[in-house]
Amino acid sequence: GENVEQHPSTLSVQEGDSAVIKCTYSDSASNYFPWYKQELGKGPQLIIDIRSNVGEKKDQRIAVTLNKTAKHFSLHITETQPEDSAVYFCAASRGNRDDKIIFGKGTRLHILP
Amino acid sequence: NAGVTQTPKFQVLKTGQSMTLQCAQDMNHNSMYWYRQDPGMGLRLIYYSASEGTTDKGEVPNGYNVSRLNKREFSLRLESAAPSQTSVYFCASSDRGLAEAFFGQGTRLTVV
Repeated sequence: GENVEQHPSTLSVQEGDSAVIKCTYSDSASNYFPWYKQELGKGPQLIIDIRSNVGEKKDQRIAVTLNKTAKHFSLHITETQPEDSAVYFCAASRGNRDDKIIFGKGTRLHILP
Repeated sequence: NAGVTQTPKFQVLKTGQSMTLQCAQDMNHNSMYWYRQDPGMGLRLIYYSASEGTTDKGEVPNGYNVSRLNKREFSLRLESAAPSQTSVYFCASSDRGLAEAFFGQGTRLTVV
């Protein structure tokens, strides 16, 4: 089955700097790659996603890149702010009739003042 | 809109007791999921349901059963709770696997 590896498990960056979180997946049939942000005491919320027919997607300070050949995708957060401190999860899914969404183990991001 | 509603929010069980976690969504989504979240382990899929009347095992199904009662509701049952099932449980729903999954607020379960 699908396996999603996520690195690093913890990341600390100075406010205003950039943060990068990387994920790899094992199932070459996966074609949907969402990223979720989880704040303390809450359920995860989608922040950005990318489909296999796209190599890069950007939404304000957040961008995601996908390399299907290498089976890895990354989240980039620029100009980090205190409210970016949270746990971030990557995930992968085949879609179609097999609707499992498999998550990575998460990255705890600390934005340092 | 309520979105995804889970009950209860907190529960303490004794080893061997049974209980059912309830989940309901009001977004007319086809797919529903149960995950457990443990420190350092991320979100692990227990069971999922791609449509009403179907359920499939995820990564960690042992010790759990599920019921997709109708399109809105997807329940998770622990028949004989064990301390290893102490965790935070999240229910989620999506309009198939290629769309955003919406999560409930979670159920914090402690088995003593």
